[in-house]
Amino acid sequence: DMKVTQMPRYLIKRMGENVLLECGQDMSHETMYWYRQDPGLGLQLIYISYDVDSNSEGDIPKGYRVSRKKREHFSLILDSAKTNQTSVYFCASSLLGGPYEQYFGPGTRLTVL
Amino acid sequence: GDSVTQTEGQVTVSESKSLIINCTYSTTSIAYPNLFWYVRYPGEGLQLLLKVITAGQKGSSRGFEATYNKETTSFHLQKASVQESDSAVYYCALGATQGTGSKLSFGKGAKLTVSP
Repeated sequence: DMKVTQMPRYLIKRMGENVLLECGQDMSHETMYWYRQDPGLGLQLIYISYDVDSNSEGDIPKGYRVSRKKREHFSLILDSAKTNQTSVYFCASSLLGGPYEQYFGPGTRLTVL
Repeated sequence: GDSVTQTEGQVTVSESKSLIINCTYSTTSIAYPNLFWYVRYPGEGLQLLLKVITAGQKGSSRGFEATYNKETTSFHLQKASVQESDSAVYYCALGATQGTGSKLSFGKGAKLTVSP
């Protein structure tokens, strides 16, 4: 069953707190992605990971970092969250190269107060 | 850079009527872009609706069609007769290889509501 999971689905944090968003996939895809989506905007790419410990900045990496220690797992970390990081975050995975179809998780709605 | 411009915001169509969601793309770096339509149903992640990788070709899925027109840089999504179950958000996307991975540039999305 090809699936991308995200945890948690909803999260409320206070400004300055640390945030950890988790993503998993069961397809052994090499490439994983983190996007954010804000009202009236398309998905914006935060980071790409090409495999374990092989990460690359996307279009809007400032304020975020990522960790990929296992191929099936990709984390997005917000150190000292800011109110303008309130958004819906999507994780995706795909085969290496391409551009191939990306498989998306259901999203995490993060609110930073 | 790469960008996608599509019909945005709310689109309301009566059941059994036809639909068109416009999409045009711009790229300065990709010789042969791949074009995608993704759909997001309520509470779910985006899923691929259709994909076309060759100019001049048409993709189709679930009654939806889109033709990759390199001359007009367009990839409009059409359906002859929509159903209530088609209510969702539709995103046009442009695909490019980035390093050894791939990158998608998305339009802002069009929220389709099909009224009975």
